[in-house]
Amino acid sequence: DQQVKQNSPSLSVQEGRISILNCDYTNSMFDYFLWYKKYPAEGPTFLISISSIKDKNEDGRFTVFLNKSAKHLSLHIVPSQPGDSAVYFCAASAQTGANNLFFGTGTRLTVIP
Amino acid sequence: EADIYQTPRYLVIGTGKKITLECSQTMGHDKMYWYQQDPGMELHLIHYSYGVNSTEKGDLSSESTVSRIRTEHFPLTLESARPSHTSQYLCASSGGRTPLHFGNGTRLTVT
Repeated sequence: DQQVKQNSPSLSVQEGRISILNCDYTNSMFDYFLWYKKYPAEGPTFLISISSIKDKNEDGRFTVFLNKSAKHLSLHIVPSQPGDSAVYFCAASAQTGANNLFFGTGTRLTVIP
Repeated sequence: EADIYQTPRYLVIGTGKKITLECSQTMGHDKMYWYQQDPGMELHLIHYSYGVNSTEKGDLSSESTVSRIRTEHFPLTLESARPSHTSQYLCASSGGRTPLHFGNGTRLTVT
């Protein structure tokens, strides 16, 4: 049973606009959430994370929002750039540094110039 | 530059062959991991290690085995490859509470 779900397999956005990628989880024990970005033929690279004690974390153009009651998190990219085109994976763990991250299936973002 | 390296990047091999996927990291991380990913699917943990001589199985059952004789090296071995083993294998490492740092993966095809 999938504990982290990304229900949108793909998303297209115009350059300069906001990209919003969504992620839902089922395990209430998860308390640490991450977003990874993956380009073709490369491994995932860490983008941004958030602990369950926060509801927002911002790093430059990237902001992650966490809604614990809804078991939902989202990644906002503003403004979107063509170089942001990649597959974005949401991941969660039951504690920071835990041996296992549970990943979603990814959302392919295409930013149109 | 500190990084994590996987070889080979691509491997096509016949059924029944023994293969070893190499993974090395130069960051001095204690924890290392192997994930398996099929196209369009999530990454699944198949093995992890917290240090030298420590190996554990992940949540996805795998016929592969791993070893951790040196901190920087975490090879994965399949004694007898089968078409069902066709997948992408991603190695990762982490130190302390740092996020996982992934290699570029090995895409394995068993014919």
